[in-house]
Amino acid sequence: LAKTTQPISMDSYEGQEVNITCSHNNIATNDYITWYQQFPSQGPRFIIQGYKTKVTNEVASLFIPADRKSSTLSLPRVSLSDTAVYYCLVGSGNTPLVFGKGTRLSVIA
Amino acid sequence: DGGITQSPKYLFRKEGQNVTLSCEQNLNHDAMYWYRQDPGQGLRLIYYSQIVNDFQKGDIAEGYSVSREKKESFPLTVTSAQKNPTAFYLCASSTGLAGMFGEQFFGPGTRLTVL
Repeated sequence: LAKTTQPISMDSYEGQEVNITCSHNNIATNDYITWYQQFPSQGPRFIIQGYKTKVTNEVASLFIPADRKSSTLSLPRVSLSDTAVYYCLVGSGNTPLVFGKGTRLSVIA
Repeated sequence: DGGITQSPKYLFRKEGQNVTLSCEQNLNHDAMYWYRQDPGQGLRLIYYSQIVNDFQKGDIAEGYSVSREKKESFPLTVTSAQKNPTAFYLCASSTGLAGMFGEQFFGPGTRLTVL
């Protein structure tokens, strides 16, 4: 399984764009990149998934460079309710995804 | 409404007792998972199942057991052999093993405390 590395924590002010970068240097050809969000005492919630280039949905964008060795989750105009832990996962459909410790995002008013 | 339910929400156990955590899904998902989360840590995989009557150990299966007799249900038993069972337990399901089949859906969790 490709190992991922992401910052332990980040702080941001309300209304700013937040970019969380994840490194996955040994990503395999058939691996997808998936991001989850988790609030305290709740299960993680799927945010976005991609394979290459850029993916955008109603809550976030995912940027993946051509070499796919990293990815960046972009959250536009964060609010206090975006304070959570964000997990980057890499894998294919052959084995379960592995959750690391994630990035703890704190949004400040 | 489709989703995953876990019960109970809070569970207290005396040392030496086995306890079973319930997980039910009505999403018609083939794959189901059990994770353990300790304070300030990520999720660690205990067991997973891709189909009925089949399951595989995850990273921390010792002291736990599961069964998958029905597609909808994946109960987890925390046995007395698990030396430090106090944790937050999360059940999840997905269409496939979630690498390229989109999302895993998580239940609300069960917080187990050993007294």
